[in-house]
Amino acid sequence: GAVVSQHPSWVICKSGTSVKIECRSLDFQATTMFWYRQFPKQSLMLMATSNEGSKATYEQGVEKDKFLINHASLTLSTLTVTSAHPEDSSFYICSATFSGGAAYTQYFGPGTRLTVL
Amino acid sequence: EDKVVQSPLSLVVHEGDTVTLNCSYEVTNFRSLLWYKQEKKAPTFLFMLTSSGIEKKSGRLSSILDKKELFSILNITATQTGDSAIYLCAAVTGGGADGLTFGKGTHLIIQP
Repeated sequence: GAVVSQHPSWVICKSGTSVKIECRSLDFQATTMFWYRQFPKQSLMLMATSNEGSKATYEQGVEKDKFLINHASLTLSTLTVTSAHPEDSSFYICSATFSGGAAYTQYFGPGTRLTVL
Repeated sequence: EDKVVQSPLSLVVHEGDTVTLNCSYEVTNFRSLLWYKQEKKAPTFLFMLTSSGIEKKSGRLSSILDKKELFSILNITATQTGDSAIYLCAAVTGGGADGLTFGKGTHLIIQP
């Protein structure tokens, strides 16, 4: 149980276009979802926390107008990278937890590799 | 600013060796420390440590937390090539469902 999926796994886009990444909890209701970014040979950096039905909370230094997060249902959160540029190329990982879950029950998706040309 | 520091950044050993990975933290409202193994994709959970001095074990892996000195170690005995991965530690802070503060990771390579 507790499976989180991401779609797509890999995306290549042109500079200036927008890309949407989906994160789904397949067999549980995720009251909170997290979005992380990982650059090559670096660790995961928390970008934002989103709770179902409310606005996402962004970490310092993360542009909320560039990285649009929507958590419209208990099983789906989306991250849209708007006007993507080559420096946005990264590995984006989401995780999901359910109400009352301890932090270790943060279930990670498999990640989405974004390459912006 | 919350900070998690791992050492070494990378480590190359031979199969059968024992390795110790280090993780120190400086965070506010510390709740627990987590260890993850990351291979090609997302991290997989290894351990959660909340109390000082209590060793957690899973097969050849073990980990312990020292809340006085603010660090944790992850031990792997009789290493195998399948242990090659990036090992991440992360601090859990705050009172609710919070995002994790990760260290940069230790890149472990086990040579046959």
